[in-house]
Amino acid sequence: EPEVTQTPSHQVTQMGQEVILRCVPISNHLYFYWYRQILGQKVEFLVSFYNNEISEKSEIFDDQFSVERPDGSNFTLKIRSTKLEDSAMYFCASNQEPTSSYEQYFGPGTRLTVT
Amino acid sequence: AQSVAQPEDQVNVAEGNPLTVKCTYSVSGNPYLFWYVQYPNRGLQFLLKYITGDNLVKGSYGFEAEFNKSQTSFHLKKPSALVSDSALYFCAVRDWAGQNFVFGPGTRLSVLP
Repeated sequence: EPEVTQTPSHQVTQMGQEVILRCVPISNHLYFYWYRQILGQKVEFLVSFYNNEISEKSEIFDDQFSVERPDGSNFTLKIRSTKLEDSAMYFCASNQEPTSSYEQYFGPGTRLTVT
Repeated sequence: AQSVAQPEDQVNVAEGNPLTVKCTYSVSGNPYLFWYVQYPNRGLQFLLKYITGDNLVKGSYGFEAEFNKSQTSFHLKKPSALVSDSALYFCAVRDWAGQNFVFGPGTRLSVLP
């Protein structure tokens, strides 16, 4: 069964550094998402992306964050100048249709630790 | 605004006993409701969803959930729990126009042998 994959599984970075988290969505999916989960807290929506554009973003997704689909397979989340509070699990998700009745398929996550 | 509540942080149940993980929601219009499970060091796995129709929906691994519109609830159930069901369970909601999930805080299920 096709899966969403994410790399790296764990990223440690120093405060102020830039990180890029990578995701490979399921190949025939067209809609892509990033969520984060701070340790012990709930999963929070960051951004959705379709046709090379952000379609929706939360208030968490400020100028520090950006997303890109640099080629036909990868979907990346860039965090500029990381802060301690960016430490979290970051999940990528994708689906074929954005309509509400469709479930999203999640990757295994990247654990980001900012020191 | 949409919201999801999972009133129990932790549910403990003995193997072989029925289990229930509770979820209540608030959304404008008709809700689309989902359950996901998260095993240690894994991503979220889709279990089941309610879109319309029969209030009792069946999903993966023997789980089912009952939609109750009057109580705005969508409780997850399983008739006979397995130790391997021990995981973190998330309820999520979308409204008819939304692309993105609003997740509940999660309930940790522990099934004891």
